[in-house]
Amino acid sequence: QEDLVQSGGGVVQPGRSLRLSCESSGHRFSSYGMHWVRQAPGKGLEWLAVIYYDGSNRHYADSVEGRFTISRDNSKNTVYLQMNSLRVEDTAVYYCARDKIGEVRGMFAMDVWGQGTTVTVSS
Amino acid sequence: DIQMTQSPSSLSASVGDRVTITCQASQDIRVYLNWYQHKPGKAPALLITDASHLEGGAPSRFSGSGSGTHFTLTISSLQPEDVATYYCQHYDLFVALTFGGGTKVELQ
Repeated sequence: QEDLVQSGGGVVQPGRSLRLSCESSGHRFSSYGMHWVRQAPGKGLEWLAVIYYDGSNRHYADSVEGRFTISRDNSKNTVYLQMNSLRVEDTAVYYCARDKIGEVRGMFAMDVWGQGTTVTVSS
Repeated sequence: DIQMTQSPSSLSASVGDRVTITCQASQDIRVYLNWYQHKPGKAPALLITDASHLEGGAPSRFSGSGSGTHFTLTISSLQPEDVATYYCQHYDLFVALTFGGGTKVELQ
């Protein structure tokens, strides 16, 4: 059973940066693509980004392209989301999640999720 | 970009009722469609993949069907623990994932 433990949320002013972390306790972290998804207050789920299992490629939603960067350190079983130029509308609960299919350079579905971390962007 | 539209946005039903949620794609997506259950304060949970394949551990009262542009999630007999928001999600293997707007299921 793999667990994803998130950290790094908090309150930040507009225009500032924040980095979220998501550490896996599983032994095969390096075999799976990893995603970030968020849910703004009163809104639905929004997919943000994916990084392939080997770090060879990344894809982003238009809403965060150019401001957010997903990365991973397979030696630390950790995926990151660097969030720059934060806006009030980035206020949300952020989830990391594992892609269901291992060792595929693509994205499919998310079957293991972190507990979520709250990011509040406010002056 | 492909848009995913769910209906209804919310529904209220009684224990034991059959519940159906619809997800419409703006263009043909074959069976590239997954369903999630999201309970308040918890992480989402994957229910169904590729339109109709039930995830291991998901109760058999959940089923999915459809292809092309029209998909449904059915709960054959609603249980109190099924109160949640349900999301469809399209995957374009090399481009993006897209969620529908969600359907909130409540008990009457």
